[in-house]
Amino acid sequence: EAQVTQNPRYLITVTGKKLTVTCSQNMNHEYMSWYRQDPGLGLRQIYYSMNVEVTDKGDVPEGYKVSRKEKRNFPLILESPSPNQTSLYFCASAPRGGNTEAFFGQGTRLTVV
Amino acid sequence: GENVEQHPSTLSVQEGDSAVIKCTYSDSASNYFPWYKQELGKRPQLIIDIRSNVGEKKDQRIAVTLNKTAKHFSLHITETQPEDSAVYFCAAGGFKTIFGAGTRLFVKA
Repeated sequence: EAQVTQNPRYLITVTGKKLTVTCSQNMNHEYMSWYRQDPGLGLRQIYYSMNVEVTDKGDVPEGYKVSRKEKRNFPLILESPSPNQTSLYFCASAPRGGNTEAFFGQGTRLTVV
Repeated sequence: GENVEQHPSTLSVQEGDSAVIKCTYSDSASNYFPWYKQELGKRPQLIIDIRSNVGEKKDQRIAVTLNKTAKHFSLHITETQPEDSAVYFCAAGGFKTIFGAGTRLFVKA
């Protein structure tokens, strides 16, 4: 089954404790992206990747890191999480860039206390 | 930077009525305009999309129109049903995808 898989689905952590949210897609998509969803603000792009070893900042990259060592994986790293990073996070992939349909993962609800 | 504005933020309609959601975008290079529906607790999923070489596209009860000159595009839902209640996001895509802030649609039975 074609899908985008994120883990974990739910995470509660403490300020400053490094964490990684994994994202994997099995559709051989070139484009992958991370968004955070906050009430009234929609889906804001954190980072995106056009292909392996190619990543770029989105609109809200501060406090986040990503890597794209393999085509299928695009982990989101929070080196030192803070309470303002409490949010619902979505990973998405698309065949080729931002002008093709995006397929979203199930979402990760992160709470930083 | 590039942005997409979406209105209204909340829309309440009676079952059977039509609903219209409007978006404007700023990046002239955008050439792909998808609409996503997000039901409560679920992930966004594509419901319809349109490309810049097309002015209108219809799929059963939903339609999208695009005015590239004015940088406007709209989603039209006719004969609304309670299961249409959700958050709807417009987006403008080119090199990357920019999303609007979303419209929460309530369809009252």
